[in-house]
Amino acid sequence: QSVLTQPPSVSGAPGQRVTISCTGSSSNIGAGYDVHWYQQLPRTAPKVLIYGDNNRPSGVPDRFSGSKSGPSASLAITGLQAEDEADYYCHSYDGSLRGVVFGGGTKLTVL
Amino acid sequence: QVQLVQSGAEVKKPGASVRVSCKASGYRFSNYGFSWVRQAPGQGLEWMGWISGYNGRVNYAQKLQGRLTMTTDTSTSTAYMELRSLRSDDTALYYCAKDKNVGSALDVWGQGTTVTVSS
Repeated sequence: QSVLTQPPSVSGAPGQRVTISCTGSSSNIGAGYDVHWYQQLPRTAPKVLIYGDNNRPSGVPDRFSGSKSGPSASLAITGLQAEDEADYYCHSYDGSLRGVVFGGGTKLTVL
Repeated sequence: QVQLVQSGAEVKKPGASVRVSCKASGYRFSNYGFSWVRQAPGQGLEWMGWISGYNGRVNYAQKLQGRLTMTTDTSTSTAYMELRSLRSDDTALYYCAKDKNVGSALDVWGQGTTVTVSS
């Protein structure tokens, strides 16, 4: 049972927009701690997509965007492409646990 | 370029210890820290703990307190993770990742080290 809750799976057709939610609580996202998002392609290490709630590292397409409201955060992917098929994880800090927490991960399938 | 290179795969018996290394290059080691993250087969990411590259300050996940030790060697820009009293559910792919502080984004990851615990 992860501290941050993500849907196990989402899907969309090429060109569509999908969102992945990450629901926390008042001790993590709701407390204002930064949320980061990672993409993990099969058999590879995770790669940061979004840091500090809504910032993209250089090289990450602007099709990827992050947002946060209250105890929840979301990752949006527009113009879905076949190569976006991967697992996605959210990540934040929890003040009660005094440590880092990850979401359980969401598998994105491009139909 | 910034790179983290981890040591090779390990096979251990239950009750043994394992030590994984993570050699950093391409940046000033003392300006950043390391998180260790593991991923059991077919499962999600689990944060294990963090260590400062500046002063060795650590922050361990509560679940692993007492079995986990993280250290650094600034002379070789290498971070180490040692896990003791291994159990079968410690079988996982172990990653080191570079970050600024606990809770910061993990911007560079090692390639991962497979640790298998089996009798």
